[in-house]
Amino acid sequence: NAGVTQTPKFQVLKTGQSMTLQCAQDMNHNSMYWYRQDPGMGLRLIYYSASEGTTDKGEVPNGYNVSRLNKREFSLRLESAAPSQTSVYFCASKMDRAWNQPQHFGDGTRLSIL
Amino acid sequence: SQQGEEDPQALSIQEGENATMNCSYKTSINNLQWYRQNSGRGLVHLILIRSNEREKHSGRLRVTLDTSKKSSSLLITASRAADTASYFCATDKGGGADGLTFGKGTHLIIQP
Repeated sequence: NAGVTQTPKFQVLKTGQSMTLQCAQDMNHNSMYWYRQDPGMGLRLIYYSASEGTTDKGEVPNGYNVSRLNKREFSLRLESAAPSQTSVYFCASKMDRAWNQPQHFGDGTRLSIL
Repeated sequence: SQQGEEDPQALSIQEGENATMNCSYKTSINNLQWYRQNSGRGLVHLILIRSNEREKHSGRLRVTLDTSKKSSSLLITASRAADTASYFCATDKGGGADGLTFGKGTHLIIQP
C-alpha cells in the first residue's frame, strides 16, 4: 500500500535553477494538492487539482507551476528557484470534491535553495 | 493566512497522562480535522468533526468543537511514547476540493 509517493525526498538547488517535484497516488483519488511547510508556519496550500485536467491556485502560488499529468500524477515545478522557496513540500490527495473526507499525505520533499 | 491556531505550541507530559491541545479558527467551516506528524514524515489523518457535531471519539482520541467560539480541542488519553509528534488542526471551508487551512501545530513530547 504505497498511498502517496513523492520524489525526490531531498534536493539542493542553486538560485535560478529549475526543478520538478513529482507526486503519484495509487488510491484512485480525483483531487490532489501541493502544500509547503515552513518552520513555525504550518502547511500552506500552493496549488490544487480538483480532478484530472483542472488546476487552481491556492494561498501561495507565486513562483510555482503545476501539471496534472493524469489521474495518478500531479507535479510541481519551480522555474527559477529562490532561497525563499527553501521548504518541505507535501503532496496530498483525497477521493473527490466532497468536503467530509480526509486528505492523504506523502512523506515530503525537503528542498534547499542556496 | 493561517486559519487555525493551536495552543499550546509545545507540551511535555509523562507517559500515561492525558494531553489536551486546543485550536482556534477565524471563519465559518464545514468541518475541522486533526492530523499527526511524526518527525520527518508526512501528516496522518486522525479524526474529522463536522460543523454540526459537538464531540467525537476515536480510540484514545476525543475531539470537541464549539462553533460559537470557533474553537476545538483534541484530548489524547493515557498517552504513550509513540504519541510523541506534532499535531495540527485543519479547517475545510467547504466549496469542494479547495484544500485545507492548517494551524501552526502543537509539538507533543511524551516522557517515559
